[in-house]
Amino acid sequence: ETGVTQTPRHLVMGMTNKKSLKCEQHLGHNAMYWYKQSAKKPLELMFVYSLEERVENNSVPSRFSPECPNSSHLFLHLHTLQPEDSALYLCASSQDDRDLEQFFGPGTRLTVL
Amino acid sequence: AQSVTQLDSQVPVFEEAPVELRCNYSSSVSVYLFWYVQYPNQGLQLLLKYLSGSTLVKGINGFEAEFNKSQTSFHLRKPSVHISDTAEYFCAVSDRAGKSTFGDGTTLTVKP
Repeated sequence: ETGVTQTPRHLVMGMTNKKSLKCEQHLGHNAMYWYKQSAKKPLELMFVYSLEERVENNSVPSRFSPECPNSSHLFLHLHTLQPEDSALYLCASSQDDRDLEQFFGPGTRLTVL
Repeated sequence: AQSVTQLDSQVPVFEEAPVELRCNYSSSVSVYLFWYVQYPNQGLQLLLKYLSGSTLVKGINGFEAEFNKSQTSFHLRKPSVHISDTAEYFCAVSDRAGKSTFGDGTTLTVKP
C-alpha cells in the first residue's frame, strides 16, 4: 500500500451507533489531519496531529473524538451523530504540521440516518 | 485571517477548448497558494503550488497558474482540456504557520 488509505470507504450509521473511521499513511510523515467535506461547503479542518499530539482542534463537537496512536495511524471515533454530520471525511498527512503540501486519502462517505 | 473565493462554482467547457478557473484570496500576511483536484470518489490531489520565485507555476496534467499579488489572484489555466479533466478543483491558501484555508470548489465539466 502506498500513500494515504482510509477505511471504510462508505459508512451508514444510526444516530445511536458508535463507529470509527481509520486512516493510515505509508509516507513516513509526522503530521495527520481530519477534514470534513460537506456538499456546497468549503473543506473544514477538524483536527491536526503532529508527532501523535493534537495541535489543533477547530471547535469540533465532542461527538467526534480523534485518536492518534502513532504517526502512521489516525482514527476518528463517532458516537451519537446527527444527520447533518453526513459528509465525506478526508484524512491527510504531511511531513510535519508546517509542511505546506498535504497528501489526501480517498475519504469515507458517511451517512447518518 | 485569510479567505479564498473561487469565483465560478461550475465551468462547462468543450473538449480541446482552453479553460480558466478563477481564485482570489485575502490575507493580512504572506501566503502560499495551491490548487488541488478531486476526481469523483477520490481525495484531493495537489496540482500545483506557489511558494516563492516565478509567478507562473506549472503543475501536473498540463495545468498552470499565475500568482498576481496586486490583484490577489491565483487563476488556474489549461490551454486544451480533455474529458478526463472533469473534476472538482479547489484553490487553497496557507500562511507560514501551515494553516490552510480552502475555497468552495469549482466543478469543471468537459463535454465532447
